[in-house]
This record gives sequence, structure tokens and C-alpha cells, in this order.
Amino acid sequence: DADVTQTPRNRITKTGKRIMLECSQTKGHDRMYWYRQDPGLGLRLIYYSFDVKDINKGEISDGYSVSRQAQAKFSLSLESAIPNQTALYFCATSDPGQGGNEKLFFGSGTQLSVL
Amino acid sequence: GENVEQHPSTLSVQEGDSAVIKCTYSDSASNYFPWYKQELGKRPQLIIDIRSNVGEKKDQRIAVTLNKTAKHFSLHITETQPEDSAVYFCAASISGRDDKIIFGKGTRLHILP
Repeated sequence: DADVTQTPRNRITKTGKRIMLECSQTKGHDRMYWYRQDPGLGLRLIYYSFDVKDINKGEISDGYSVSRQAQAKFSLSLESAIPNQTALYFCATSDPGQGGNEKLFFGSGTQLSVL
Repeated sequence: GENVEQHPSTLSVQEGDSAVIKCTYSDSASNYFPWYKQELGKRPQLIIDIRSNVGEKKDQRIAVTLNKTAKHFSLHITETQPEDSAVYFCAASISGRDDKIIFGKGTRLHILP
């Protein structure tokens, strides 16, 4: 959905560099997620946040950090990038509400290459 | 934590035939099971989901079945069409508790003409 925007779309960086991927949403959802996608490994959860004061580690949080600057913004940082962090990164949002609909709305992804 | 296994990793079927993708999960507390479809170069999108209080759900040519005792669930696509070619992901979560959604590794489905 165009309502979940990731920047940049593509990024090439060098080993050891600090890099930030940004995600913003206009859906008004409280819940935001960062996943990485690698061929043959599916979508793996890095971090997730259920509101501005709530940050949780996912399956593979080592080497990553996040910041929830506002309800609409959730940034992912790689403090010192390494080549095996080369992947397609997706931000997603959800809004279970009272109906318990956990449907994820994904952004268009950021392709990150670490040389 | 939850672990979701998905099989097969690649599946080729003739157009018009049926396709079945199977997943197992490890945490018996999981109660929400969505399926996502990702077309080439696109973002994943939800196509169907099922909760643990039902055994089967259908939406036109797509159906999902759930066996809680065996901790496995399956996606069935009937009368496959070229536009069904995509990568399909199953997932599981514990709705109402930690709610994090854990995905399987995906199945690449090829529809052969």
C-alpha cells in the first residue's frame, strides 16, 4: 500500500558504515514491524513496536537497532554494516483493533547491499 | 519461540490443476495463521487467514485447512491460473498475547502452461 512508505528504495554501502532505513505510515496504525527477506529464508522479524514506548526484539535483532520516533515513524539502523546484512528489508504495520485483525500492510521494501 | 516450517520450497503445477502448500508450527499456543502472496518484485499481501477456532476457510479458489492436534495447516489453490505464480508464505502468531507474526521460508509456485 502507498500508505506505508520506505526510504530509500535502494542503498549500497560499505562494510563498517552506519546506515538508517526509514519507514513512515499514514494508516494511523499503532503496530509497526521490520522484517528482512533473503532468498530461501523467507521473512524474518527483526524488531517490532506496538506503540511509541514499546520496542521488542524479533527473531534476528543482533546488529540492528530501532527507533519509534512517533506513531507514524519507525526507523531501523545498522550500526556497523556487514555483508551478510545484504537483504531486502520490509517495514509493515497492523491494527488489530477490537476485531483482532492482524493483517500486515507492507511497504515497498528497501534493497540494501553491503559491500 | 515459534518456529514455522513450510514445504515444498518450490512447486510446479499445470495450469488448471490444484496446488497444495503445507506448514507446521511449534507453539501450541499459536491461534492465528495467515497466508501471504508475493508476486515478483512486489510486496507480500495477505490472501487468506484462519483462526484456531475453525478447521477450514474458503475464498473462491483458495482454501486453508488447520489441524490443531497435529499443528499443521495447508493452503489449497484449485483451478490454478498463470496469475497464481508467486511466492507464498505461511505464518503463525499468538493473537492477544505477543502477536508477533513468524513466517515460514516460502514456496515458489510455478504455473505451467
